[in-house]
Amino acid sequence: TQLLEQSPQFLSIQEGENLTVYCNSSSVFSSLQWYRQEPGEGPVLLVTVVTGGEVKKLKRLTFQFGDARKDSSLHITAAQPGDTGLYLCAGALPPGNTGKLIFGQGTTLQVKP
Amino acid sequence: DAGVTQSPTHLIKTRGQQVTLRCSPKSGHDTVSWYQQALGQGPQFIFQYYEEEERQRGNFPDRFSGHQFPNYSSELNVNALLLGDSALYLCASSFSVKFSYEQYFGPGTRLTVT
Repeated sequence: TQLLEQSPQFLSIQEGENLTVYCNSSSVFSSLQWYRQEPGEGPVLLVTVVTGGEVKKLKRLTFQFGDARKDSSLHITAAQPGDTGLYLCAGALPPGNTGKLIFGQGTTLQVKP
Repeated sequence: DAGVTQSPTHLIKTRGQQVTLRCSPKSGHDTVSWYQQALGQGPQFIFQYYEEEERQRGNFPDRFSGHQFPNYSSELNVNALLLGDSALYLCASSFSVKFSYEQYFGPGTRLTVT
């Protein structure tokens, strides 16, 4: 059983479309991170959210941490081919905010020009 | 500012052999974590090192061991390799154990066991 469930697992869209990726759990997390990974490379940290209800924006990407700190979403506005990649959410379980990150299985995004 | 580096990039080993993977953390980071990523899956936590000691461990057998050196670099050793150990092994570093939830990953070592 996956502690962090990501949906959808695969997404193929046209350039300019909007999309949302979800990361859900029945467990409470101290913090949650979003990463993007390209083939043959390691994950690149995009954002960390710590406070329930927190919203962070990174250019066309908007990240939200659920009020109960059990879920998160990533919204991309006007997707571009450069957004193509594997998007991973990862959470740190309490107590504390230690480095044992639990990862979701990932969402593969393909943006077609 | 050098990021996390790992060596080697690729490795092919035979069942039963032993392997050592190496990692240098990002400049200024003192905590190193190791992950195993199977094809099409998210990374799975193996263990974390801080102050040259293993601080946390995931659900991996004792065949997986590690070490951290005084310069904060780290090694991952896997004994008695199995076919199922074929994966991308990722090293991640963080600023301190207090902020170790924010991790920066290296490019990984692709291990193939035949």
